[in-house]
Amino acid sequence: GESVGLHLPTLSVQEGDNSIINCAYSNSASDYFIWYKQESGKGPQFIIDIRSNMDKRQGQRVTVLLNKTVKHLSLQIAATQPGDSAVYFCAENIFPNAGNMLTFGGGTRLMVKP
Amino acid sequence: GAVVSQHPSWVICKSGTSVKIECRSLDFQATTMFWYRQFPKQSLMLMATSNEGSKATYEQGVEKDKFLINHASLTLSTLTVTSAHPEDSSFYICSAMDMSSHEQYFGPGTRLTVT
Repeated sequence: GESVGLHLPTLSVQEGDNSIINCAYSNSASDYFIWYKQESGKGPQFIIDIRSNMDKRQGQRVTVLLNKTVKHLSLQIAATQPGDSAVYFCAENIFPNAGNMLTFGGGTRLMVKP
Repeated sequence: GAVVSQHPSWVICKSGTSVKIECRSLDFQATTMFWYRQFPKQSLMLMATSNEGSKATYEQGVEKDKFLINHASLTLSTLTVTSAHPEDSSFYICSAMDMSSHEQYFGPGTRLTVT
Protein backbone atom coordinates (compact mmCIF):
# COMPACT_ATOMS: atom_id res chain seq x y z
CA GLY A 1 0.00 0.00 0.00
CA GLU A 2 1.02 3.53 -0.63
CA SER A 3 1.84 5.49 2.47
CA VAL A 4 -0.44 8.31 1.57
CA GLY A 5 -2.37 8.32 4.85
CA LEU A 6 -4.52 11.33 4.08
CA HIS A 7 -7.67 9.69 5.37
CA LEU A 8 -8.04 7.14 8.12
CA PRO A 9 -11.14 4.98 7.56
CA THR A 10 -12.93 3.69 10.61
CA LEU A 11 -14.46 0.30 11.22
CA SER A 12 -16.91 0.13 14.07
CA VAL A 13 -17.90 -3.29 15.41
CA GLN A 14 -19.81 -4.67 18.34
CA GLU A 15 -17.85 -6.51 21.02
CA GLY A 16 -17.87 -10.21 20.25
CA ASP A 17 -18.36 -9.77 16.51
CA ASN A 18 -15.72 -10.60 13.95
CA SER A 19 -13.76 -7.78 12.30
CA ILE A 20 -12.30 -7.69 8.82
CA ILE A 21 -9.78 -5.04 7.92
CA ASN A 22 -8.66 -4.72 4.32
CA CYS A 23 -5.53 -3.46 2.63
CA ALA A 24 -4.60 -3.06 -1.01
CA TYR A 25 -0.94 -3.08 -1.93
CA SER A 26 0.62 -1.77 -5.08
CA ASN A 27 3.95 -3.51 -5.56
CA SER A 28 3.51 -6.85 -7.30
CA ALA A 29 7.10 -7.70 -6.34
CA SER A 30 6.29 -7.51 -2.63
CA ASP A 31 6.57 -10.94 -1.11
CA TYR A 32 6.29 -10.34 2.60
CA PHE A 33 3.42 -8.68 4.40
CA ILE A 34 2.86 -7.72 8.01
CA TRP A 35 -0.07 -6.44 10.00
CA TYR A 36 0.61 -4.01 12.83
CA LYS A 37 -1.59 -2.67 15.60
CA GLN A 38 -0.95 0.83 16.87
CA GLU A 39 -2.55 2.19 19.99
CA SER A 40 -2.73 5.90 20.60
CA GLY A 41 0.67 7.40 21.41
CA LYS A 42 2.54 4.13 20.96
CA GLY A 43 4.69 2.48 18.34
CA PRO A 44 3.39 -0.25 16.00
CA GLN A 45 2.99 -3.69 17.49
CA PHE A 46 3.49 -6.79 15.34
CA ILE A 47 0.36 -8.91 14.95
CA ILE A 48 0.92 -11.43 12.19
CA ASP A 49 2.83 -11.83 8.96
CA ILE A 50 2.54 -13.81 5.75
CA ARG A 51 4.83 -14.60 2.86
CA SER A 52 3.69 -14.58 -0.72
CA ASN A 53 3.93 -18.35 -1.05
CA MET A 54 0.93 -18.61 1.27
CA ASP A 55 -2.62 -17.33 0.96
CA LYS A 56 -3.72 -17.77 4.56
CA ARG A 57 -2.11 -17.78 7.95
CA GLN A 58 -3.73 -18.07 11.34
CA GLY A 59 -2.70 -16.84 14.73
CA GLN A 60 -4.49 -16.49 18.01
CA ARG A 61 -7.87 -14.94 17.14
CA VAL A 62 -6.35 -13.43 13.98
CA THR A 63 -6.18 -14.63 10.40
CA VAL A 64 -4.42 -12.97 7.49
CA LEU A 65 -5.55 -13.65 3.93
CA LEU A 66 -3.47 -12.78 0.91
CA ASN A 67 -4.83 -12.54 -2.63
CA LYS A 68 -1.89 -11.90 -4.92
CA THR A 69 -4.06 -11.80 -8.01
CA VAL A 70 -5.76 -8.60 -6.94
CA LYS A 71 -2.99 -7.49 -4.57
CA HIS A 72 -5.23 -7.55 -1.54
CA LEU A 73 -4.54 -8.37 2.07
CA SER A 74 -7.03 -8.73 4.88
CA LEU A 75 -6.88 -9.16 8.64
CA GLN A 76 -9.68 -10.99 10.36
CA ILE A 77 -10.10 -10.67 14.10
CA ALA A 78 -12.41 -13.18 15.75
CA ALA A 79 -14.56 -12.26 18.73
CA THR A 80 -13.39 -8.67 18.77
CA GLN A 81 -12.71 -7.23 22.21
CA PRO A 82 -12.51 -3.64 23.49
CA GLY A 83 -8.75 -4.08 23.79
CA ASP A 84 -8.59 -4.57 20.02
CA SER A 85 -9.54 -0.91 19.51
CA ALA A 86 -6.58 0.66 17.73
CA VAL A 87 -5.33 1.65 14.29
CA TYR A 88 -4.25 -1.26 12.12
CA PHE A 89 -1.65 -0.94 9.37
CA CYS A 90 -0.55 -3.37 6.73
CA ALA A 91 3.04 -3.19 5.57
CA GLU A 92 4.82 -4.79 2.64
CA ASN A 93 8.36 -5.44 1.64
CA ILE A 94 10.47 -7.39 -0.76
CA PHE A 95 12.29 -10.02 1.30
CA PRO A 96 15.15 -10.07 1.47
CA ASN A 97 16.11 -6.74 0.07
CA ALA A 98 19.13 -4.65 0.69
CA GLY A 99 17.49 -2.55 3.35
CA ASN A 100 14.50 -4.58 4.43
CA MET A 101 12.37 -1.45 4.08
CA LEU A 102 8.71 -1.58 4.91
CA THR A 103 6.06 0.40 3.08
CA PHE A 104 3.01 1.09 5.20
CA GLY A 105 -0.58 1.32 4.07
CA GLY A 106 -2.86 4.14 5.15
CA GLY A 107 -4.30 2.40 8.20
CA THR A 108 -7.77 1.61 9.49
CA ARG A 109 -9.12 2.63 12.86
CA LEU A 110 -11.02 -0.16 14.61
CA MET A 111 -13.53 0.91 17.22
CA VAL A 112 -15.11 -1.77 19.37
CA LYS A 113 -18.42 -0.93 20.98
CA PRO A 114 -19.13 -2.67 24.29
CA GLY B 1 11.38 -10.66 23.24
CA ALA B 2 13.33 -8.02 21.37
CA VAL B 3 12.93 -4.53 22.78
CA VAL B 4 13.58 -1.18 21.18
CA SER B 5 13.55 1.94 23.32
CA GLN B 6 13.36 5.60 22.40
CA HIS B 7 14.37 8.58 24.44
CA PRO B 8 12.80 10.92 25.17
CA SER B 9 9.23 9.72 24.90
CA TRP B 10 8.10 13.29 24.42
CA VAL B 11 9.80 16.66 24.09
CA ILE B 12 8.70 20.25 23.73
CA CYS B 13 11.18 22.70 22.28
CA LYS B 14 11.23 26.24 20.99
CA SER B 15 11.41 27.07 17.33
CA GLY B 16 14.99 27.29 16.10
CA THR B 17 16.47 24.87 18.61
CA SER B 18 17.73 21.36 17.92
CA VAL B 19 16.42 18.15 19.42
CA LYS B 20 18.11 14.75 19.60
CA ILE B 21 16.10 11.53 19.73
CA GLU B 22 17.75 8.24 20.63
CA CYS B 23 16.77 4.78 19.44
CA ARG B 24 18.30 1.78 21.19
CA SER B 25 18.03 -1.95 20.64
CA LEU B 26 18.19 -3.36 24.15
CA ASP B 27 18.82 -7.05 23.67
CA PHE B 28 19.98 -7.45 20.09
CA GLN B 29 22.35 -5.87 17.63
CA ALA B 30 21.09 -3.87 14.69
CA THR B 31 23.20 -2.84 11.73
CA THR B 32 20.13 -1.20 10.26
CA MET B 33 17.61 1.06 11.92
CA PHE B 34 14.80 3.01 10.32
CA TRP B 35 13.33 6.39 11.22
CA TYR B 36 9.68 7.14 10.51
CA ARG B 37 7.54 10.21 10.99
CA GLN B 38 3.82 10.04 11.67
CA PHE B 39 1.46 12.99 11.58
CA PRO B 40 -1.91 12.79 13.34
CA LYS B 41 -4.35 10.35 11.76
CA GLN B 42 -1.82 9.40 9.14
CA SER B 43 0.37 6.44 8.38
CA LEU B 44 4.06 6.00 9.08
CA MET B 45 6.28 7.65 6.52
CA LEU B 46 9.83 6.37 6.19
CA MET B 47 12.31 9.21 6.56
CA ALA B 48 15.63 7.44 6.38
CA THR B 49 17.51 4.20 6.77
CA SER B 50 20.30 4.34 9.31
CA ASN B 51 23.28 2.08 8.72
CA GLU B 52 25.87 1.39 11.39
CA GLY B 53 29.21 2.85 10.46
CA SER B 54 28.05 4.54 7.28
CA LYS B 55 25.90 7.38 6.05
CA ALA B 56 22.16 7.20 6.33
CA THR B 57 20.00 6.84 3.26
CA TYR B 58 17.26 9.45 3.10
CA GLU B 59 13.91 9.16 1.38
CA GLN B 60 12.95 11.61 -1.30
CA GLY B 61 11.90 14.94 0.13
CA VAL B 62 13.63 14.47 3.49
CA GLU B 63 16.40 17.02 4.09
CA LYS B 64 19.52 15.28 5.29
CA ASP B 65 20.97 18.50 6.69
CA LYS B 66 17.88 19.07 8.78
CA PHE B 67 17.42 15.53 10.05
CA LEU B 68 20.86 14.36 11.10
CA ILE B 69 21.23 10.65 11.70
CA ASN B 70 24.13 9.00 13.47
CA HIS B 71 24.35 5.24 13.87
CA ALA B 72 27.55 4.98 15.86
CA SER B 73 27.08 1.54 17.37
CA LEU B 74 25.16 -1.67 16.80
CA THR B 75 22.61 -0.71 19.42
CA LEU B 76 22.15 3.03 19.03
CA SER B 77 20.95 5.40 16.34
CA THR B 78 20.18 9.06 16.93
CA LEU B 79 18.02 11.47 14.98
CA THR B 80 18.69 15.17 15.48
CA VAL B 81 16.10 17.62 14.26
CA THR B 82 18.06 20.80 13.65
CA SER B 83 16.56 24.27 13.75
CA ALA B 84 13.16 22.82 14.52
CA HIS B 85 10.03 24.57 13.34
CA PRO B 86 6.39 24.02 14.30
CA GLU B 87 5.81 22.01 11.12
CA ASP B 88 8.37 19.49 12.43
CA SER B 89 6.00 18.66 15.27
CA SER B 90 5.19 15.01 14.82
CA PHE B 91 5.49 11.51 16.24
CA TYR B 92 8.90 10.07 15.41
CA ILE B 93 9.22 6.29 15.47
CA CYS B 94 12.29 4.16 14.98
CA SER B 95 12.62 0.49 14.18
CA ALA B 96 15.65 -1.76 14.45
CA MET B 97 16.43 -4.79 12.38
CA ASP B 98 17.94 -7.71 14.28
CA MET B 99 21.05 -8.55 12.27
CA SER B 100 20.73 -12.25 13.01
CA SER B 101 17.03 -12.81 12.30
CA HIS B 102 16.32 -9.80 10.04
CA GLU B 103 13.15 -9.23 12.07
CA GLN B 104 12.23 -5.61 12.53
CA TYR B 105 11.12 -4.25 15.91
CA PHE B 106 9.57 -0.85 16.55
CA GLY B 107 10.24 1.61 19.31
CA PRO B 108 7.47 3.30 21.31
CA GLY B 109 7.84 6.62 19.51
CA THR B 110 8.81 10.16 20.50
CA ARG B 111 6.28 12.97 20.43
CA LEU B 112 7.97 16.22 19.34
CA THR B 113 6.17 19.52 19.80
CA VAL B 114 7.84 22.67 18.52
CA THR B 115 6.42 25.91 19.86
